[in-house]
Amino acid sequence: DSGVTQTPKHLITATGQRVTLRCSPRSGDLSVYWYQQSLDQGLQFLIQYYNGEERAKGNILERFSAQQFPDLHSELNLSSLELGDSALYFCASSPETGDATQYFGPGTRLTVL
Amino acid sequence: KNQVEQSPQSLIILEGKNCTLQCNYTVSPFSNLRWYKQDTGRGPVSLTIMTFSENTKSNGRYTATLDADTKQSSLHITASQLSDSASYICVVSAKGTYKYIFGTGTRLKVLA
Repeated sequence: DSGVTQTPKHLITATGQRVTLRCSPRSGDLSVYWYQQSLDQGLQFLIQYYNGEERAKGNILERFSAQQFPDLHSELNLSSLELGDSALYFCASSPETGDATQYFGPGTRLTVL
Repeated sequence: KNQVEQSPQSLIILEGKNCTLQCNYTVSPFSNLRWYKQDTGRGPVSLTIMTFSENTKSNGRYTATLDADTKQSSLHITASQLSDSASYICVVSAKGTYKYIFGTGTRLKVLA
């Protein structure tokens, strides 16, 4: 158990809908990262927050957004969902940024029908 | 273009044998290189992180090497166990960008 929690575990929704994925980092970790893992594209970095501020952006679509709240939990919002958004979404956390070890949560499996 | 390539794509070995996985990258400027182990359907687990100045790092039976000149890394697994069956993913980050570029992974299967 990494100490990172993600909810929900599974999510099934329809195209065009909007969903919110939630992540609670390990106690004391200031950085939160979001990743997408699909069958055809492997793992991709989406976005990173550090102590409430956006730190880095990867291959995140405009339909997706994220935020980190004062209690350091983070949410990833996915809107206007398409079939291709079906994937495993992982959250990771680390004490800081840079060379720090990242601890991954168990993931949320999103299925868009 | 920043890329990370891993080889082989998949590998089958017998329990107790050693194996070496390769990672070549074109990411520049280089910040660090990470190796992760990922069991099917679960989150990746960090094995090693190496910066520019490090050329070897061990974590139990896992030993990673880094040659920053040739932009190559390897992960050596000693005395493999059935529980080593997983995907091994190489990730490189570029200095100053805080972004992470993932390889497609090597799927390792250890047979009894």
